[in-house]
Amino acid sequence: GAVVSQHPSWVICKSGTSVKIECRSLDFQATTMFWYRQFPKQSLMLMATSNEGSKATYEQGVEKDKFLINHASLTLSTLTVTSAHPEDSSFYICSATATGDGYTFGSGTRLTVV
Amino acid sequence: AQSVTQLDSHVSVSEGTPVLLRCNYSSSYSPSLFWYVQHPNKGLQLLLKYTSAATLVKGINGFEAEFKKSETSFHLTKPSAHMSDAAEYFCVVSTINDYKLSFGAGTTVTVRA
Repeated sequence: GAVVSQHPSWVICKSGTSVKIECRSLDFQATTMFWYRQFPKQSLMLMATSNEGSKATYEQGVEKDKFLINHASLTLSTLTVTSAHPEDSSFYICSATATGDGYTFGSGTRLTVV
Repeated sequence: AQSVTQLDSHVSVSEGTPVLLRCNYSSSYSPSLFWYVQHPNKGLQLLLKYTSAATLVKGINGFEAEFKKSETSFHLTKPSAHMSDAAEYFCVVSTINDYKLSFGAGTTVTVRA
């Protein structure tokens, strides 16, 4: 079946530094990838939608200059949290789809900013 | 606009008894509906999906769901709960034109021994 690899699974960084999270579709070409943020005991909040070769579409209230998304190929999307602060600490999850008929999620990244 | 309402924030069952997780949806079009399960600090795993084929959908691990258009519901059931079913469950509807997913608030399932 479709597999999405998300890396790293957890990261701790100092306040003010940047962190990059990778999301790879291993056995299919993902025309569209999504990035979500999940707070403890809450549902997933869509941050942005990215299509290969084009700029990401951000949801209202999500700072595009803080959360940089690159979708350079049909199998790779990256989320970079720039100048991270403690309030950016969260669980970030990516998902990918080829057709919109099925969605595969990564295993998530736990980001802690200290 | 698409939206999903999960009617129970928390469900507690005894091991070996049935599980029912309720979900109602709102959609302007014929929706695609999904149930995902999430274990702590993990990503989401697809249990099953409905995409306008059979209204009774069978998924993994003994779960199934029935799509009822007249009731705009997509409830998830399992005849006999197992301890490993303790997790968070999300009912999800997709937007046909831009592939976006709308998530329910989630239902936490606990299983008592």
